[in-house]
Amino acid sequence: DTGVSQDPRHKITKRGQNVTFRCDPISEHNRLYWYRQTLGQGPEFLTYFQNEAQLEKSRLLSDRFSAERPKGSFSTLEIQRTEQGDSAMYLCASSFQGEQFFGPGTRLTVL
Amino acid sequence: DQQVKQNSPSLSVQEGRISILNCDYTNSMFDYFLWYKKYPAEGPTFLISISSIKDKNEDGRFTVFLNKSAKHLSLHIVPSQPGDSAVYFCAASKNFGNEKLTFGTGTRLTIIP
Repeated sequence: DTGVSQDPRHKITKRGQNVTFRCDPISEHNRLYWYRQTLGQGPEFLTYFQNEAQLEKSRLLSDRFSAERPKGSFSTLEIQRTEQGDSAMYLCASSFQGEQFFGPGTRLTVL
Repeated sequence: DQQVKQNSPSLSVQEGRISILNCDYTNSMFDYFLWYKKYPAEGPTFLISISSIKDKNEDGRFTVFLNKSAKHLSLHIVPSQPGDSAVYFCAASKNFGNEKLTFGTGTRLTIIP
């Protein structure tokens, strides 16, 4: 399968714990995006990379969130001191030009 | 500030008929528009896109129309099939798709056999 992959698919954690998600983009894609989706809403932009450079971060993103793409390939998204409001589907997408292709997402539940 | 709006939360269409999903946007800087289809517990699947230099793009059963003066786009699916039942999201971007996507809230399409 050569699509975008995300790991884990599901994560249940207790409030205050740290969590880390991984995204592996389509191999020739230089852009990688993170989005968050809550019930009844469309995906909301969090941050994106072109190769290893983080080019934009949403103003809505708390400083508890950090993302990296150290070698311009896979990316990680870390959430520190999780809160119940962080419960959502976290989506990763990649592109070369134009269309973004999404992974299956990581469903985070914070208890 | 909802820059991309899908005002119909749901739509039901008979199998074999045409489905028309609508989307409005407010930001005149958007120049690239996309439609995605989403099943529960899966990521969005890209369907079709259109650049602001065009007013129509067609791919099989799917056609997207763009009316820049009205800041409106629509997705036509014909003929509609049961497998088309899903949530459809409209999205917009600047720089011809090389920036972040701004999504609408989605329309749930149900195809009635």
